[in-house]
Amino acid sequence: RKEVEQDPGPFNVPEGATVAFNCTYSNSASQSFFWYRQDCRKEPKLLMSVYSSGNEDGRFTAQLNRASQYISLLIRDSKLSDSATYLCVVSRGGSNYKLTFGKGTLLTVNP
Amino acid sequence: DVKVTQSSRYLVKRTGEKVFLECVQDMDHENMFWYRQDPGLGLRLIYFSYDVKMKEKGDIPEGYSVSREKKERFSLILESASTNQTSMYLCASSSVDGQENYGYTFGSGTRLTVV
Repeated sequence: RKEVEQDPGPFNVPEGATVAFNCTYSNSASQSFFWYRQDCRKEPKLLMSVYSSGNEDGRFTAQLNRASQYISLLIRDSKLSDSATYLCVVSRGGSNYKLTFGKGTLLTVNP
Repeated sequence: DVKVTQSSRYLVKRTGEKVFLECVQDMDHENMFWYRQDPGLGLRLIYFSYDVKMKEKGDIPEGYSVSREKKERFSLILESASTNQTSMYLCASSSVDGQENYGYTFGSGTRLTVV
């Protein structure tokens, strides 16, 4: 099983749609979880951390299920500017300062 | 605004050249990292450093070395550049407070082409 696994997509959705991304991770000792966003030919940027209780930032909601080793990101009311690659990121078990990045899910929001 | 600055955005080098990629952060972070990103392979960790003069190999250290003489600066060195080292190189820094990892801040990347 890969350390961090994501559906590569692409996801093509119309403006205003709700879209969900899923991610699984293999190391049950992982402690820190994030979603990053990467625009074409740019660096990844932190979108949000993910906590066990779930957390929300505007139109974005992140969930963590430690028992299933599963992370999700929900984007509501998609905007054209949400088009990007979304990276699921997990700390390495036993080394909380090293992160493993998923290969990303490409989202295109269409007018 | 916190910053990680990579010295070059685009670089073209010849096979066999020694290449230096520089990265500077102004956040007083302990940890610094070098990744490369290739289509279909995602981000792969080359080397990281958790303190001045301290370094550890990542997942793909072959053909690379690093230097961290000052806290704010982390250099990646390609000892003898080869065409398979053509890639996007990303530097990152982070701070970890006990069990809390606040995530990485990345530089804007250096797109290196080896010809």
